[in-house]
Amino acid sequence: DVQLLESGGGLLQPGGSLGLSCAASGFTFRTHALTWVRQAPGKGLEWVSSIGVTGGATYYADSVKGRFTISRDNSKNTVFLQMNSLRAEDTAVYYCGKLKLSGDIDYWGQGTPVTVSS
Amino acid sequence: QPVLTQSSSASASLGSSVKLTCTLSSGHSNNIIAWYQQQPGKAPRHLMKLEGSGDYDKGSGVPDRFSGSSSGADRYLTISNLQSEDEADYYCETWNTYTRVFGGGTKLTVL
Repeated sequence: DVQLLESGGGLLQPGGSLGLSCAASGFTFRTHALTWVRQAPGKGLEWVSSIGVTGGATYYADSVKGRFTISRDNSKNTVFLQMNSLRAEDTAVYYCGKLKLSGDIDYWGQGTPVTVSS
Repeated sequence: QPVLTQSSSASASLGSSVKLTCTLSSGHSNNIIAWYQQQPGKAPRHLMKLEGSGDYDKGSGVPDRFSGSSSGADRYLTISNLQSEDEADYYCETWNTYTRVFGGGTKLTVL
């Protein structure tokens, strides 16, 4: 079975940094693009970032460009999201997702919460 | 960048059918979309990929009660024989190489 397990969420102050991880299993990790999607409390889904199969192609929402960095380690079946200069509006549950070749997200992790507050 | 418009809420009776709509903005009427279901307190779940032709490809384990269709810029998710567990938020999404966009979601209440 495909599993995606996020970790690294927590509570931190504005301006701080945090790194999220998503450990994958149950599929050939190196052949699938991956994505991060977040959901602020009581709000809808918001795409954050995506990464191609080798890690050479990365894409970001305008709201996080220049502050967040996505990366992957195909030897460890893990995708990362490094978040810097965090703001209150980054408070959300962060989900990682596996992309099908067709582009849709066919599997989601359970999410990890990030709270940015002073 | 496309915009996806969804009604904020919908309701239907147990055992009946409901059709949810996701409308693509001008210039993007041929886009492929996906539908996701998010039950309260849970992660989203992939329901299907839906093309402008109306062809759809359902996710693993998605019941036959769920189907998709398209008309112009509108993409539909139809749920037949509504069950209590179908009460959830439903999101559509579209994407290209560089970006992904979600609709605002429809909260479905099963009466």
